[in-house]
Amino acid sequence: QQQVKQSPQSLIVQKGGISIINCAYENTAFDYFPWYQQFPGKGPALLIAIRPDVSEKKEGRFTISFNKSAKQFSLHIMDSQPGDSATYFCAASRGRGSTLGRLYFGRGTQLTVWP
Amino acid sequence: NAGVTQTPKFQVLKTGQSMTLQCAQDMNHEYMSWYRQDPGMGLRLIHYSVGAGITDQGEVPNGYNVSRSTTEDFPLRLLSAAPSQTSVYFCASSWDRGSYGYTFGSGTRLTVV
Repeated sequence: QQQVKQSPQSLIVQKGGISIINCAYENTAFDYFPWYQQFPGKGPALLIAIRPDVSEKKEGRFTISFNKSAKQFSLHIMDSQPGDSATYFCAASRGRGSTLGRLYFGRGTQLTVWP
Repeated sequence: NAGVTQTPKFQVLKTGQSMTLQCAQDMNHEYMSWYRQDPGMGLRLIHYSVGAGITDQGEVPNGYNVSRSTTEDFPLRLLSAAPSQTSVYFCASSWDRGSYGYTFGSGTRLTVV
């Protein structure tokens, strides 16, 4: 059973536009929600993360929106640039219990930003 | 400060062969894990370790073995390679179990023929 569901699978956005990637989860015990960015031939790198006590977190052009009641969170990339073209993964983990620290990943979104 | 180092970067194996994928980190992280990445499947956890001498299974452990004799090293062993193990393998580490700041290696691309 997939713990974190991510959509869309691929996304094409024009330079300067807004990229939006959505994720949903079922396990209400999750309390940490990171996003990872991966360029071809590289390992994933932590981009931004949020905890469920806040509804939004912004770092530069990247914003996470979190809806605890709907069990959904999303990544918004403002003023998207060709250099943002990469695969993005959402993930979730719980801070306690037998699965402490385990990250459950979505299946990824391949973002292409064309000039 | 090298972070997480994986070797080799590429490997081709014949079905039935065994090999060890190496992973080393120099950040004194307690938590280390192995993932495999397949197209459209995201990253799936194979095995993980919360400290030297302690390991546990993830989502897809069959056909793989791990040990953690030191804090720095966490090798992944393929016991008898199968074509279904063709994948890109990533090692990751974190300074605590709360998943803060996972650091990933650059990956090993394995092909089993």
